[in-house]
Amino acid sequence: DAGITQSPRYKITETGRQVTLMCHQTWSHSYMFWYRQDLGHGLRLIYYSAAADITDKGEVPDGYVVSRSKTENFPLTLESATRSQTSVYFCASNFAGYTDTQYFGPGTRLTVL
Amino acid sequence: AQSVAQPEDQVNVAEGNPLTVKCTYSVSGNPYLFWYVQYPNRGLQFLLKYITGDNLVKGSYGFEAEFNKSQTSFHLKKPSALVSDSALYFCAVRLPNRDDKIIFGKGTRLHILP
Repeated sequence: DAGITQSPRYKITETGRQVTLMCHQTWSHSYMFWYRQDLGHGLRLIYYSAAADITDKGEVPDGYVVSRSKTENFPLTLESATRSQTSVYFCASNFAGYTDTQYFGPGTRLTVL
Repeated sequence: AQSVAQPEDQVNVAEGNPLTVKCTYSVSGNPYLFWYVQYPNRGLQFLLKYITGDNLVKGSYGFEAEFNKSQTSFHLKKPSALVSDSALYFCAVRLPNRDDKIIFGKGTRLHILP
């Protein structure tokens, strides 16, 4: 199916465990983004990628790792999950440029116990 | 510091009445402005954007927004609200020449009362 997908949609894990959230887009968009959404904070950028093998930190990168070996995939890894990382995570993409609209995935709700 | 403010956490409007969701920003340069909507358990969806030109921008689902440079505002409006407009609305600002830098407001929950 065309579009941007995220998996899993829901995840419960324990403190200290490694978790990887997947993001896949079929548009060949150059740019991809990871956000977290928390009550009272809106959306905050974790990491972004301008192209394959190019990534950079956003506003709240600590505790997260990303990679982008292929244009269509942009996984987000929590190396050692903490309770403060309980959140809803959204992946987004756009073709190029800062005037371009971002397209968002459906989100992954992560709970860290 | 550069920021986007949505001063109302929640807005209640009766169905059929006009609605306004407020957004103000504080950034240097000429920003690009966006409105997104989020329905329950869904990702954000694009509504409209202002890049340049006419200050009144029309978007999806009958929404429009007015860019006011002197007041640094970009309020979202609709002449006649529908119950189905009930959702969470986000204003966002993207900075010129900074592909990475998009700042979202905290969101405003819009309730349309039947």
